[in-house]
Amino acid sequence: EDQVTQSPEALRLQEGESSSLNCSYTVSGLRGLFWYRQDPGKGPEFLFTLYSAGEEKEKERLKATLTKKESFLHITAPKPEDSATYLCAVQRQNYGGSQGNLIFGKGTKLSVKP
Amino acid sequence: DAGVTQSPTHLIKTRGQHVTLRCSPISGHKSVSWYQQVLGQGPQFIFQYYEKEERGRGNFPDRFSARQFPNYSSELNVNALLLGDSALYLCASSLTGGAGELFFGEGSRLTVL
Repeated sequence: EDQVTQSPEALRLQEGESSSLNCSYTVSGLRGLFWYRQDPGKGPEFLFTLYSAGEEKEKERLKATLTKKESFLHITAPKPEDSATYLCAVQRQNYGGSQGNLIFGKGTKLSVKP
Repeated sequence: DAGVTQSPTHLIKTRGQHVTLRCSPISGHKSVSWYQQVLGQGPQFIFQYYEKEERGRGNFPDRFSARQFPNYSSELNVNALLLGDSALYLCASSLTGGAGELFFGEGSRLTVL
């Protein structure tokens, strides 16, 4: 069964304390892996797409990496405004007629204290 | 540029009632998908539409239905509401019906009493 597991469920950091969030996946043919940021009561905000093992992408204090079994979201010197839930999702290859739907993990809730 | 817009933002219904949620995709995007997000969980796929045709359906009962209009906007309908239907309903748009980034709206928060 296709599955996405994120860890930890919650992470508390001090401002400036770097860390990583993990997303492990089991999927029958990966087309792409997505990271989203979600603030409370809001819709997910797109961050990155990764398509192949070894790929890396960066945006401000965030860097996403991909291997054949997992992805990491590295947060360098986080600030309080980075506090949010970070969602990982996979898009499968040739899933029936729908190639666009995503399978999401439950997310990691990040809190950054000043 | 306007992002994905959804309406209403919040609504309260009672069990057994019917609800219609609406979504307008990003200009130029031809595909709309619907997701349900229960508190503390990741979004779950309900439907995908591309060029007004259903391209995919998730594991949801027949009480859930959707359609896409010629202007690419979309409606999600839920009949015979149950308490368990209380959730944030998210609409996402994408350029095509295939692979690629999905951009989400702010969602419609449905509470069923």
